[in-house]
Amino acid sequence: EVHLVESGGGLVQPGGSLRLACAASEFTFSNYWMHWVRQAPGEGLEWVARINGGGTTRNYAASVKGRFTISRDNAKSTLYLQMNTLKAEDTAIYYCARDLGVLGNYGDPWGQGTLVTVSS
Amino acid sequence: DIQMTQSPSSVSASVGDRVTITCRASQDISNWLAWYQHKPGKAPKLLIYGASTLQSGVPSRFRGSGSGTDFTLTISSLQPEDFATYYCQQADASPPPTFGGGTKVDIK
Repeated sequence: EVHLVESGGGLVQPGGSLRLACAASEFTFSNYWMHWVRQAPGEGLEWVARINGGGTTRNYAASVKGRFTISRDNAKSTLYLQMNTLKAEDTAIYYCARDLGVLGNYGDPWGQGTLVTVSS
Repeated sequence: DIQMTQSPSSVSASVGDRVTITCRASQDISNWLAWYQHKPGKAPKLLIYGASTLQSGVPSRFRGSGSGTDFTLTISSLQPEDFATYYCQQADASPPPTFGGGTKVDIK
């Protein structure tokens, strides 16, 4: 069974940095696009970023572009999200999701998420 | 970016009820549309992709329909495990993916 486990969340001050990780198992990691999606407290889902299997193509939501960097280590089957210049509005549960593998941006499955809190 | 508008934002229903959720895109997205189920503390779950294709393992009481700008998720006979929040998502490859605001289905 495909398994995704996020880690690295925590409490960080505004302006600070944090790196999230998503450990993947039970599938050929390098064959799939991967996504980060977040959910702020009491809000809906917001797509954050995606990266192709080779790590050569990356796309970002306008709200994080220039501050967040998505990357991957295929040898370790791990996806990353480097978050810099964090703002209070970045407070959210961050989920990683594997792309379904068909045309279009469909996430399946998803991890359980890791909570990031940006506060002084 | 493409805006996705879901309605209603919440619905109260009983076990066995038929529930319909609608999603409207701000521009034509053909059939690039997904539906997800999300329960508190759990990972979101893909139910339907391509507007009407049921993801493997998802019960047949879930049905997606529509194309262009107007889409519908129908649960034909609500079960206890279906109480959750449902999101539509436009999945076109080019513009950034965007989600609807969600529809919370709770117990009447």
